[in-house]
Amino acid sequence: KQEVTQIPAALSVPEGENLVLNCSFTDSAIYNLQWFRQDPGKGLTSLLLIQSSQREQTSGRLNASLDKSSGRSTLYIAASQPGDSATYLCAVKKTGANSKLTFGKGITLSVRP
Amino acid sequence: KAGVTQTPRYLIKTRGQQVTLSCSPISGHRSVSWYQQTPGQGLQFLFEYFSETQRNKGNFPGRFSGRQFSNSRSEMNVSTLELGDSALYLCASSHQLLAGFSYNEQFFGPGTRLTVL
Repeated sequence: KQEVTQIPAALSVPEGENLVLNCSFTDSAIYNLQWFRQDPGKGLTSLLLIQSSQREQTSGRLNASLDKSSGRSTLYIAASQPGDSATYLCAVKKTGANSKLTFGKGITLSVRP
Repeated sequence: KAGVTQTPRYLIKTRGQQVTLSCSPISGHRSVSWYQQTPGQGLQFLFEYFSETQRNKGNFPGRFSGRQFSNSRSEMNVSTLELGDSALYLCASSHQLLAGFSYNEQFFGPGTRLTVL
């Protein structure tokens, strides 16, 4: 059974800091890994999708990496801003013809002005 | 292109009642998945529908059911509501029709906040 872990559960950093959010998963037989952002009481916004054959993906100030063999992914946020404050979740999709995502519990990020 | 829409956004029900939630996927998307989000359990997979067929199901009791229509819109039904069913219910859609990695990206709606009293 796939388990996804995100530690720590919460993080507070000063504005302008570069930071890394970690995600680990137990079963390396994944099809892809997706990072999401969730604002309080809202739905999930897709940030980056990494296929199992890829090592990293970039979008603006965000960079996500994937190391399948070690069961790890990181989300790097450059020059953090107060608007980046949210909960960040990673989710993995198992190989096979289905869309089920297994989620971590998320990391709640607070960027202090 | 319009995103995933969910209706209603908020619902208040009492124990024992039943509820139906609706999800309209992004145009062209054939796969619709449902998730329950609670503070204690996080996001848990309920089920997935593809071309009107349930393709995958999570570990939820039979009180939770769903269906998908020919236009890919999906509904989720919860019967005999319990207090523990209070949660944010999220719907996600993805293309899944054509081959290619990009078609597996999942897009979520704003959710339906269900409160059971």
